[in-house]
Amino acid sequence: DQQVKQNSPSLSVQEGRISILNCDYTNSMFDYFLWYKKYPAEGPTFLISISSIKDKNEDGRFTVFLNKSAKHLSLHIVPSQPGDSAVYFCAASPHPYSGAGSYQLTFGKGTKLSVIP
Amino acid sequence: DTEVTQTPKHLVMGMTNKKSLKCEQHMGHRAMYWYKQKAKKPPELMFVYSYEKLSINESVPSRFSPECPNSSLLNLHLHALQPEDSALYLCASSQGTAYGYTFGSGTRLTVV
Repeated sequence: DQQVKQNSPSLSVQEGRISILNCDYTNSMFDYFLWYKKYPAEGPTFLISISSIKDKNEDGRFTVFLNKSAKHLSLHIVPSQPGDSAVYFCAASPHPYSGAGSYQLTFGKGTKLSVIP
Repeated sequence: DTEVTQTPKHLVMGMTNKKSLKCEQHMGHRAMYWYKQKAKKPPELMFVYSYEKLSINESVPSRFSPECPNSSLLNLHLHALQPEDSALYLCASSQGTAYGYTFGSGTRLTVV
């Protein structure tokens, strides 16, 4: 039972254009959503996050949109650069436990983005 | 220091061996995690420690034994593993906000 779904295993985009990566979730308890970028043989690197009280969060070239009613979020990268080529994981968590604020992340299967120069 | 450091980077062990994976962070994070990632799969949560206490065990077999000696260190003790346990083991830490949820580079484990 996949609670976080990334239905596109791969995406190719021309340099300078917009990359849109999509993610769907099924668990209504998810309260926090994160995007990670991962290179082979390395740990995931945090990109951007959004809480369920927002519908948009922007950080430089990266914007995440959240549509709670559709249980859908997307990551927009504008403009795309060759260095953005990596696997992008969507992750979701219920509201963190109090105290240490621990997040139990559930990951999607990832989308491999290739930015073509 | 904004890193999570994992050692060793690579480990090959036999099914009768006992080994340990180590994770260290000096960001003052009070939540630490172990994840397992197999090839072409997403990371899967194994254990969560909050304030040095085990708060979540995602039904992980007892051949994996976590330990949190202090607020900066997290170990994963391995014993009698199977070849199917071969994977990338990732440690992460966080404190209060997901912006600080940081992963280490992982330990690539091969069980022979």
